[in-house]
Amino acid sequence: GQQVMQIPQYQHVQEGEDFTTYCNSSTTLSNIQWYKQRPGGHPVFLIQLVKSGEVKKQKRLTFQFGEAKKNSSLHITATQTTDVGTYFCAGNRLTNAGKSTFGDGTTLTVKP
Amino acid sequence: DVKVTQSSRYLVKRTGEKVFLECVQDMDHENMFWYRQDPGLGLRLIYFSYDVKMKEKGDIPEGYSVSREKKERFSLILESASTNQTSMYLCASSFIGNYGYTFGSGTRLTVV
Repeated sequence: GQQVMQIPQYQHVQEGEDFTTYCNSSTTLSNIQWYKQRPGGHPVFLIQLVKSGEVKKQKRLTFQFGEAKKNSSLHITATQTTDVGTYFCAGNRLTNAGKSTFGDGTTLTVKP
Repeated sequence: DVKVTQSSRYLVKRTGEKVFLECVQDMDHENMFWYRQDPGLGLRLIYFSYDVKMKEKGDIPEGYSVSREKKERFSLILESASTNQTSMYLCASSFIGNYGYTFGSGTRLTVV
């Protein structure tokens, strides 16, 4: 079945440093989504990427979808303590009837 | 504000009890999902439903059943609770085209 691998599992950064998490799918995706889960909270939808090579920005967050539509990344510039949490990618295929395959997440901690 | 509401935030049940976890969404979403989240294991899909009275098994359906009698409500049933079902349970919903999931706040179930 479809697998979505996400690395790294954990990342500890100093406040102000950059952070990147990577997501790789074993199959070509129709789109990829990113979620953020704050400690003690639930996953919250951030963004969806659909087009090959697409790049989207949300303030300090930059999301990329690979040309082959099999990988994606989330980059945070100049991390802040409010960025702490677990970031999940979720891959989707048209044949999956709306069922996403989630990566295991990258947990980010930020030292002030 | 759109919502997915889970009936209980915390629940403690005894081994062998029948447990009902309720989820209600007010967004007219076709798809509804039940996940469990355990440390180091990410989000694992238990069951999902894409229409009233329709259900499909996810990755870990054993020991669980579901019910969807109305579009807005999706119930997860633990037929005979066991200690290995102690976990955080997350309900989610989405439109049929899956433009992103909306998650509930979760139910932390402890089986003693």
